Parts: sequence; C-alpha cells; structure tokens
Amino acid sequence: GQQVMQIPQYQHVQEGEDFTTYCNSSTTLSNIQWYKQRPGGHPVFLIQLVKSGEVKKQKRLTFQFGEAKKNSSLHITATQTTDVGTYFCAGYFGNEKLTFGTGTRLTIIP
Amino acid sequence: DAGVIQSPRHEVTEMGQEVTLRCKPISGHNSLFWYRQTMMRGLELLIYFNNNVPIDDSGMPEDRFSAKMPNASFSTLKIQPSEPRDSAVYFCASGPSHSNQPQHFGDGTRLSIL
Repeated sequence: GQQVMQIPQYQHVQEGEDFTTYCNSSTTLSNIQWYKQRPGGHPVFLIQLVKSGEVKKQKRLTFQFGEAKKNSSLHITATQTTDVGTYFCAGYFGNEKLTFGTGTRLTIIP
Repeated sequence: DAGVIQSPRHEVTEMGQEVTLRCKPISGHNSLFWYRQTMMRGLELLIYFNNNVPIDDSGMPEDRFSAKMPNASFSTLKIQPSEPRDSAVYFCASGPSHSNQPQHFGDGTRLSIL
C-alpha cells in the first residue's frame, strides 16, 4: 500500500541545536505537505512542496523535496522552545487522499 | 475567519452508548475529512467527502462507524455501539478542493469510552 515513513519517531535536543526529520515513500509523490501539531493541539499546515528538488524556507525552517519525489526533510536551525511539537509529513500519491507520516515528536531541553 | 468547528470538544461515555461527533467545515471548502489519532496508530484517515459525497470510507474501522454529510456546512461521525478501543481524538479537516490542497483541521473531539 501507499505509506509514508518518517524518522526519527522522537527527538530531544538542547535549545539552540539543530533538528531534522526525514520522510520517505516507496512510490513517487505528487506533492508533500508538512504539518505541525503542538501538544494538545491540532495539525497545522506549514508548507507544500511540489517540484522535484524543491527547497523552501520559512525563517529557521528549511524544507526539501527529493529529486525523485520520494523523500523529503524538514530542518530547523537553532531550535527554540516554541518549536516543541510533533511534525508530520503528508503526501499525495495522485489520488485525493493525504497520507500522513508517523510524525516526529520534538522536545526541547532548555 | 472561522476555522473548522467541531463539537463536542470532549466526550466521556460508557461503552455501548451511541456517540455523535459533529463538524462544520470552512465555508467554501469542497472536501471534508475525518481522522482518528491515537498513540498506537497515529493519525488515520477514516473517511472523506467531496461535494458532500463520500468518496473513500476504506479507513472506517467497522460497521459501528458511520459518517454523513447532509449539506456543505455539516458532517457527523457516529459510533454505535461505542467500545473502549474507540477512545481517541477525532479530527475533522476541510480543504478548498478535492486534491493537492492543504487541509485545515478543527480542534478535535477527545473521546473516552469507559
């Protein structure tokens, strides 16, 4: 079936350190989206990547889409306590369903 | 702008009871999605609608679950009879069109079945 795998499942970092989460699919994605869910909250859309090799930045966040459109990454530079939460990638495989990854839960050690 | 509105926010009930979760999507959005989130299984898509028509309900766990969308501004997810393993956070999300668009989530309903 169409699955999106995400690693790591958990990440604990000292405040100020960098953080990266990776997303992989066995089949080509039409596009990939990233969401953030704060503890006790709901997923909130961050960004969408569509083109092969695309790179987008939002302040300290850098998003990449692989050349083969099968993988993606989210990198946060110099983490802050406000970055705490679970980051999900979610991919479209050409149908109407958005398939969510398993998520990476980020905790920040002050 | 009003986002996706879900009710109730919390529901605690005894097993065997009927549970009805409600969702009002963002006005103008054509697609509506119901998700279930648990620690064990993560975020699972249960069913989605496009223009009020159910398109894919393959994620609905069993016949105890049913969903309806009688009009563009309202949807329900019903569990009858409820079981303790149905305890989870249920999210409704809506999107502006039926594919490749960001989804906007409601605050969710935290359901506990005793």
